[in-house]
Amino acid sequence: QQQVKQSPQSLIVQKGGISIINCAYENTAFDYFPWYQQFPGKGPALLIAIRPDVSEKKEGRFTISFNKSAKQFSLHIMDSQPGDSATYFCAASMDSSYKLIFGSGTRLLVRP
Amino acid sequence: DAGITQSPRYKITETGRQVTLMCHQTWSHSYMFWYRQDLGHGLRLIYYSAAADITDKGEVPDGYVVSRSKTENFPLTLESATRSQTSVYFCASNRQGAPGYTFGSGTRLTVV
Repeated sequence: QQQVKQSPQSLIVQKGGISIINCAYENTAFDYFPWYQQFPGKGPALLIAIRPDVSEKKEGRFTISFNKSAKQFSLHIMDSQPGDSATYFCAASMDSSYKLIFGSGTRLLVRP
Repeated sequence: DAGITQSPRYKITETGRQVTLMCHQTWSHSYMFWYRQDLGHGLRLIYYSAAADITDKGEVPDGYVVSRSKTENFPLTLESATRSQTSVYFCASNRQGAPGYTFGSGTRLTVV
């Protein structure tokens, strides 16, 4: 019940395309759903986050779509760029400052 | 410099030895966390702390010990290192009510 399942494990997208990464959770007590971006040799960095009272949040080229009834949320990267090549993690917690449960990660490669 | 720092950056140790990984943050954040990152598993929580002298277990605490005598420091000790503890270890901190963690740059630990 504490798991967050993430897919796909890896993703290759052409420059300018849309990257989509999906996550699913079981625990209905989760109320904070962030996405983290990690470049090689660095720690993960917060990219964007959403709470279940909204169905979508957009920040620049990054959008989170949230489906509370299906217990799923996804990250969409519009106009993907080679600089977006990184590993992306979804996560969930019962509070923004509380312990995060992470998905297994998606390695994104954007080809020029 | 303000931030969260981990040391050492790289460590090779032998099976059975005790190893301590250091984490220091300069913000006086109340929450601190230790995660390990392994391919296919994402980030798994080892231990976390809500304040000085308050610690609790995460998903994978076996073989690890933590302490937090001062708000800014949260060392992680492997009491008797095993090869299965070869991993990249990330420390993170968070201010109560603030969105998202700030991660350190990680410690790559190899147990031979």
